[in-house]
Amino acid sequence: AQTVTQSQPEMSVQEAETVTLSCTYDTSESDYYLFWYKQPPSRQMILVIRQEAYKQQNATENRFSVNFQKAAKSFSLKISDSQLGDAAMYFCAYGSNYKLTFGKGTLLTVNP
Amino acid sequence: SQTIHQWPATLVQPVGSPLSLECTVEGTSNPNLYWYRQAAGRGLQLLFYSVGIGQISSEVPQNLSASRPQDRQFILSSKKLLLSDSGFYLCAWSVHRVLSGNTIYFGEGSWLTVV
Repeated sequence: AQTVTQSQPEMSVQEAETVTLSCTYDTSESDYYLFWYKQPPSRQMILVIRQEAYKQQNATENRFSVNFQKAAKSFSLKISDSQLGDAAMYFCAYGSNYKLTFGKGTLLTVNP
Repeated sequence: SQTIHQWPATLVQPVGSPLSLECTVEGTSNPNLYWYRQAAGRGLQLLFYSVGIGQISSEVPQNLSASRPQDRQFILSSKKLLLSDSGFYLCAWSVHRVLSGNTIYFGEGSWLTVV
């Protein structure tokens, strides 16, 4: 079974600074997708970014980018120019065969 | 555009009482449907998923069950709630095909407290 590990339960960053959230996963499959979701205090799950495993190029979405290392099974999220609205729980997720498997999340605090 | 709704948003139920959470998706046909649970301080755990009417796959054995009576309706039920069933329940959907790049979209969630 696939597992997703987020080793940082909590992280903090100063407004306008950059922060990187870590994620590793375990799989024997070659075709899969990886996701970062954001869950603000409203509890709504919001897609932040998505990465196809067969693509070597790292995905980017405005201030959000990933560092995808397939051999190391690592998928970190970098948030640049952090804003107060980025404060949330961030979940890494592995997708294959209809399902997403989530990590336990990293709580990000943004300090003004 | 597609939307997903689930209700009720908040529910307080006594131990041993039944449960019914409902979810509907609009703006798409034959979606994959999912029920996830998020316990306090933990990640999301997949409970059930469905790739078509009447097709339910269970991921975790428990006293919960799911049904899909219509194409875009997904129901989570229990005959007798346990204290351990308390948590935040999320319904979700994705386009119907093997998850190969399809994003899963989530509803607003339902808070269940079993007392």
